[in-house]
Amino acid sequence: QQPVQSPQAVILREGEDAVINCSSSKALYSVHWYRQKHGEAPVFLMILLKGGEQKGHEKISASFNEKKQQSSLYLTASQLSYSGTYFCGTMDSSYKLIFGSGTRLLVRP
Amino acid sequence: DVKVTQSSRYLVKRTGEKVFLECVQDMDHENMFWYRQDPGLGLRLIYFSYDVKMKEKGDIPEGYSVSREKKERFSLILESASTNQTSMYLCASSLTGLNQPQHFGDGTRLSIL
Repeated sequence: QQPVQSPQAVILREGEDAVINCSSSKALYSVHWYRQKHGEAPVFLMILLKGGEQKGHEKISASFNEKKQQSSLYLTASQLSYSGTYFCGTMDSSYKLIFGSGTRLLVRP
Repeated sequence: DVKVTQSSRYLVKRTGEKVFLECVQDMDHENMFWYRQDPGLGLRLIYFSYDVKMKEKGDIPEGYSVSREKKERFSLILESASTNQTSMYLCASSLTGLNQPQHFGDGTRLSIL
């Protein structure tokens, strides 16, 4: 079953912050985050494992609350280059990575 | 640098044709995946393979088959193409293990007329 991402879309001005959420109805082993720019391949951002650790990538960080089966992606001081569609992928006991439907982010000057 | 190459960027075929989509990776990865991407639905897993000649069904395998005769190559086959298979198809590969990042190709936009 696909994880649910929210919001579906968000528009920011350069320098603003955003949070993208990902939630699952199943117990999770890990959460993966990817970004896809228009017309390009998805690119790996980070993986979060059980244990609630927080990881970072440039000014993008994420957390994983395994008890709530949720992950959040934090984009701080957004840049124009952050525009794209963000996908979370969740791995449960099936050992398959299941992607959400994506969150479209547009950063404007 | 990691490279996943899909044979065609755009492809147009007719209903009922047998269609082959090819994917090659140069990273000696054990795992390879085929996804289809549709607006509002994200990436949906069709099939994956964790070794040569091994395959596992994903979430939407109906109407598709796969072939992996060599480690670097993973083919997706539409046995009898239908219009509802018009989509963007993405191939990916990763090292063995559950929590390895996947590296994606640029995709093949397939239109079935």
